[in-house]
Amino acid sequence: GAVVSQHPSRVICKSGTSVKIECRSLDFQATTMFWYRQFPKQSLMLMATSNEGSKATYEQGVEKDKFLINHASLTLSTLTVTSAHPEDSSFYICSASRERTTEAFFGQGTRLTVV
Amino acid sequence: KNQVEQSPQSLIILEGKNCTLQCNYTVSPFSNLRWYKQDTGRGPVSLTIMTFSENTKSNGRYTATLDADTKQSSLHITASQLSDSASYICVVSPLSGTYKYIFGTGTRLKVLA
Repeated sequence: GAVVSQHPSRVICKSGTSVKIECRSLDFQATTMFWYRQFPKQSLMLMATSNEGSKATYEQGVEKDKFLINHASLTLSTLTVTSAHPEDSSFYICSASRERTTEAFFGQGTRLTVV
Repeated sequence: KNQVEQSPQSLIILEGKNCTLQCNYTVSPFSNLRWYKQDTGRGPVSLTIMTFSENTKSNGRYTATLDADTKQSSLHITASQLSDSASYICVVSPLSGTYKYIFGTGTRLKVLA
């Protein structure tokens, strides 16, 4: 199966700072990457979809200026949480697929804690 | 509105016992239905995937069934192990035109020794 790696797995940052999360497809080229957010005991919520070389498409209610997504290459997408606040503390998960409509493989997730 | 509902919300069973998790969906038409296992603090891992024309799929001790007429799916776990303790998520992909997965709320399974 395809491998998707996220880094870091855990991060603690101070309120007001920015934090970057990386999502890499290790053994395939990912045309499309998805970013999700998951609160405790809840399901995954899609935040945005990014296609290599183009701007990300954000879901309704997700602030694009706060959650910056870059998909500069076919193996790497980054999510930057800017000016983080405690309410941004959550579990962030990425997934990647070879094409827009093919199966997506999930990363291990990143636990963000804003203090 | 496309929805995926799972039951029970949580379940506790003894090691070695079998259990069945349920998934009801209103997504129609749909491309495929998947069951994922998500360990605490980890990303989801695919267990099974079924298209609308399939009615059963097995992966080791995991067997998924699908009834497209009643829009129900189940995941049966045989001879449970402690390592089966996790959340199990039912995910439906709408038919072509969209790539977005619709996630169920999951069933939290705890297997006790």
